[in-house]
Amino acid sequence: GESVGLHLPTLSVQEGDNSIINCAYSNSASDYFIWYKQESGKGPQFIIDIRSNMDKRQGQRVTVLLNKTVKHLSLQIAATQPGDSAVYFCAENMDSSYKLIFGSGTRLLVRP
Amino acid sequence: ETGVTQTPRHLVMGMTNKKSLKCEQHLGHNAMYWYKQSAKKPLELMFVYSLEERVENNSVPSRFSPECPNSSHLFLHLHTLQPEDSALYLCASSPGTRGYEQYFGPGTRLTVT
Repeated sequence: GESVGLHLPTLSVQEGDNSIINCAYSNSASDYFIWYKQESGKGPQFIIDIRSNMDKRQGQRVTVLLNKTVKHLSLQIAATQPGDSAVYFCAENMDSSYKLIFGSGTRLLVRP
Repeated sequence: ETGVTQTPRHLVMGMTNKKSLKCEQHLGHNAMYWYKQSAKKPLELMFVYSLEERVENNSVPSRFSPECPNSSHLFLHLHTLQPEDSALYLCASSPGTRGYEQYFGPGTRLTVT
């Protein structure tokens, strides 16, 4: 990923297991959240998003959970595959503004 | 990735050069963004254009100058850059005039020597 200079937390999982990537967001007024995947040498790729009026949203092999009480967001990846190895970023948007505020990311490593 | 394209993919320039980065979106979106991604910081928003009007300038030095001639094209003009400006510059677009559902291009890796 492009954030190699940052001290990124790393999650290492066995191929086929489920992965859970966590994110703490900063502002209780944030009303939209989004997860991105960034592979080395590529731009961030949209995975899934969720509005603050929802607690859970499912996509293909991915689920996002939102806990507004503790300002916590998680991304669950089912049956993790080698192609899922990347840096994952969460981002929040406040008051329907243009600005997405990004976290520093988590590196996911999938062991064969 | 073909929804948002960026050229060049790699650029090396001296501090006295003038160069431009180009972004094109093929998604019919209304808003376009420039971000900077450096090794020591999370993604930073630089500029936002909505319907070709600049709506956000995130305290970016004047040596970076954006241009949005139409809703599909976005440029970032560079002049008198510093070595600390070396980074990955990412373009994004979103369908509405708010920051939801931003789709990114592959980025331009810029090195200032």
